[in-house]
Amino acid sequence: KQEVTQIPAALSVPEGENLVLNCSFTDSAIYNLQWFRQDPGKGLTSLLLIQSSQREQTSGRLNASLDKSSGRSTLYIAASQPGDSATYLCAVRRGSYNTDKLIFGTGTRLQVFP
Amino acid sequence: NAGVTQTPKFQVLKTGQSMTLQCAQDMNHNSMYWYRQDPGMGLRLIYYSASEGTTDKGEVPNGYNVSRLNKREFSLRLESAAPSQTSVYFCASGGRSYNSPLHFGNGTRLTVT
Repeated sequence: KQEVTQIPAALSVPEGENLVLNCSFTDSAIYNLQWFRQDPGKGLTSLLLIQSSQREQTSGRLNASLDKSSGRSTLYIAASQPGDSATYLCAVRRGSYNTDKLIFGTGTRLQVFP
Repeated sequence: NAGVTQTPKFQVLKTGQSMTLQCAQDMNHNSMYWYRQDPGMGLRLIYYSASEGTTDKGEVPNGYNVSRLNKREFSLRLESAAPSQTSVYFCASGGRSYNSPLHFGNGTRLTVT
């Protein structure tokens, strides 16, 4: 059974720091891995999607890497800002015929203070 | 762009009551999903629909039913609500490719007393 773990569960950093969020998964047979952001009381917003054949994806100040063989992904946030404060979730997509689904981690709650 | 729209935003039910959560997407997506989110448990898949006319059980389907009314709409029904169904419910949709990102609605916060 696929399990997804995110460490740390919570993180508080001063503005301007570069930071790394971690995601690990137990079964390397995945189609892709997605990173999401969730603001309080809101739904999830997709940040980056890394296909199983890719090593990393970048969007602005965000960079996500994927190491399938070791079952790990990291989300790197450069020059953090208070507006980055949110919960970040990773999810792996594993599907075969009629079992298409995402498995989510429990998230890292990030607070960036001025 | 509306994206994924869920109604209602909030609902309080008494044990045994029934209700339907509505979800609609305007992105012409084939796949639609219902998740519940509970503290410390993360998001868990209740039901999904890979295409119009098909539905399949996810991880926690007991106590729920779904209807894929057409390509746009996917509803979740609680026939007899229980306190264990107190949660935040999210609808999501995605394109045909497995490598299409999922798009989520803003959620329905349900309390069952």
